[in-house]
Amino acid sequence: DTGVSQDPRHKITKRGQNVTFRCDPISEHNRLYWYRQTLGQGPEFLTYFQNEAQLEKSRLLSDRFSAERPKGSFSTLEIQRTEQGDSAMYLCASSINTGGTDTQYFGPGTRLTVL
Amino acid sequence: AQTVTQSQPEMSVQEAETVTLSCTYDTSESDYYLFWYKQPPSRQMILVIRQEAYKQQNATENRFSVNFQKAAKSFSLKISDSQLGDAAMYFCAYRSASYGGSQGNLIFGKGTKLSVKP
Repeated sequence: DTGVSQDPRHKITKRGQNVTFRCDPISEHNRLYWYRQTLGQGPEFLTYFQNEAQLEKSRLLSDRFSAERPKGSFSTLEIQRTEQGDSAMYLCASSINTGGTDTQYFGPGTRLTVL
Repeated sequence: AQTVTQSQPEMSVQEAETVTLSCTYDTSESDYYLFWYKQPPSRQMILVIRQEAYKQQNATENRFSVNFQKAAKSFSLKISDSQLGDAAMYFCAYRSASYGGSQGNLIFGKGTKLSVKP
């Protein structure tokens, strides 16, 4: 069990550029979550997958954001036409659904800075 | 919609002493889970303790325990024998367990920054 990993850890980009982040969950976990955390705030939910199916999306996930989990393993989160307001820490978490008591384990996050 | 409130932006405790962090939540659901997560500076978030709403007994994990008051919608975290390594942001979080509810996401409070003085 190597834990949840995220890549890259830091990303600096210019406004208007597209960025993509990757999350590798704990190997046996079937659920994967994306959150966004801005300075001084708690994480805010963006979306989650069970296996390859995207089951829920937050209103925070505008049409510039897209997430995929094509084979039910790793996931990618893409932000198109980045804006300065997208600057935040993007957290990934995973869990294994065992009848409702699953606990989410978080990765180290990707810190995005949009100039 | 459910909300989680942490009314203490910052707290401080002397090493080896006990500190209690407050959390209140608002929900109309009867079935849910509550969590405390710890986020050390520049490090990833880790689970401290978890409480199922249907359980009357308060959860404990070594030096960490909770005071869960369902009627009052209160979920405080007590840290006993505080250690320097306990210094971190602590987040209280809620997750629905009800059929038809939003069972995927955690709803977090804004966090409490805990400092531990040697």
